[in-house]
Amino acid sequence: DADVTQTPRNRITKTGKRIMLECSQTKGHDRMYWYRQDPGLGLRLIYYSFDVKDINKGEISDGYSVSRQAQAKFSLSLESAIPNQTALYFCATSDSLNPGWRADTQYFGPGTRLTVL
Amino acid sequence: GQQVMQIPQYQHVQEGEDFTTYCNSSTTLSNIQWYKQRPGGHPVFLIQLVKSGEVKKQKRLTFQFGEAKKNSSLHITATQTTDVGTYFCAGESNDYKLSFGAGTTVTVRA
Repeated sequence: DADVTQTPRNRITKTGKRIMLECSQTKGHDRMYWYRQDPGLGLRLIYYSFDVKDINKGEISDGYSVSRQAQAKFSLSLESAIPNQTALYFCATSDSLNPGWRADTQYFGPGTRLTVL
Repeated sequence: GQQVMQIPQYQHVQEGEDFTTYCNSSTTLSNIQWYKQRPGGHPVFLIQLVKSGEVKKQKRLTFQFGEAKKNSSLHITATQTTDVGTYFCAGESNDYKLSFGAGTTVTVRA
């Protein structure tokens, strides 16, 4: 969806460098997520945020940090990149029509392909 | 922890044939979602199933949620080249964790 944008779209960096991936959305959703995709492993959740003051770890948060600067912005940082963080990273948003569920329909951004040499 | 297993990992289909991809969870799910990712693209939501035994259809796609809410299937009839891509299921367990399956990558022989 054009409503969810990610920058950069591609990034090549070196081991040890600090990297920030940014996500912006115009859907007006409260909930935002960061996933990584690796071949054969599907999508794995790194961090998620249900509102500006809420940050939660996902299943693979080690080596990553996030910042929810505003309702529309959610950034992912790799403090010291390593080669096994080479992957396709997706940001996603969802609304909160079903408050009893933590994860409603996910709307994904176009992805950022990150290569760590 | 919750795991969602999806099989097969790859599906090579002759155009016009039918196929099914399966999703199985180790725990009971509150709901399950299906997504499609075209080559080079991002996952796009297809459908959400909530009720035990629920069946939903979208044209040639039929989605089913098992009676025990631990498994789901996607059946595509008369496969077309536009069906190429990776299909993911994503299940939310009762402890509010959403897990994606590894996906079924579909290729179509014309």
